[in-house]
Amino acid sequence: GAVVSQHPSWVICKSGTSVKIECRSLDFQATTMFWYRQFPKQSLMLMATSNEGSKATYEQGVEKDKFLINHASLTLSTLTVTSAHPEDSSFYICSARASGSYEQYFGPGTRLTVT
Amino acid sequence: RKEVEQDPGPFNVPEGATVAFNCTYSNSASQSFFWYRQDCRKEPKLLMSVYSSGNEDGRFTAQLNRASQYISLLIRDSKLSDSATYLCAVTRGDSNYQLIWGAGTKLIIKP
Repeated sequence: GAVVSQHPSWVICKSGTSVKIECRSLDFQATTMFWYRQFPKQSLMLMATSNEGSKATYEQGVEKDKFLINHASLTLSTLTVTSAHPEDSSFYICSARASGSYEQYFGPGTRLTVT
Repeated sequence: RKEVEQDPGPFNVPEGATVAFNCTYSNSASQSFFWYRQDCRKEPKLLMSVYSSGNEDGRFTAQLNRASQYISLLIRDSKLSDSATYLCAVTRGDSNYQLIWGAGTKLIIKP
């Protein structure tokens, strides 16, 4: 149980374009989903927390207009990187937790390269 | 001081040995604690939750010391496949169920 999928697994895009990443909980209802980014050899950096049906809460320093998060259902959250730039190249990982639990289960991540 | 601290390592350990590492946290209000493992270029995977009474899962034992505010992970009879980065995570102590992450301890098991 507790399977989270993420799509796409990798994407290469040109500077200025937008990229949408999907995160799905496959076998449980995700009350909360989290979006992280991770640079090589660095720790996870929480970008935002999203609860189904409400606006995401962004961490300090994360631009909400650049990283659009939608959590429309209990099994799906999306992250859209708008007007991507090379410095947005990173490993983006989502996680999800079920109601009443603190445990987070991660999707396999999306490796974004902006050229 | 970081909210969650781990020795980055790497810990180079011969196969079959026992290895232990700690993770300290600063927020005494944290209630839940976890160990995750992360393989290179992969997502973190939950290894075990850490309970007040300590818990064991096969070769892995996790313990919590609230007085000194640290959690520990012990791996016995280490295998080559245990090579990974081990991340500890603790709850932030407020709403939203957010976890605060350590930077991870890199473990290398040598044959």
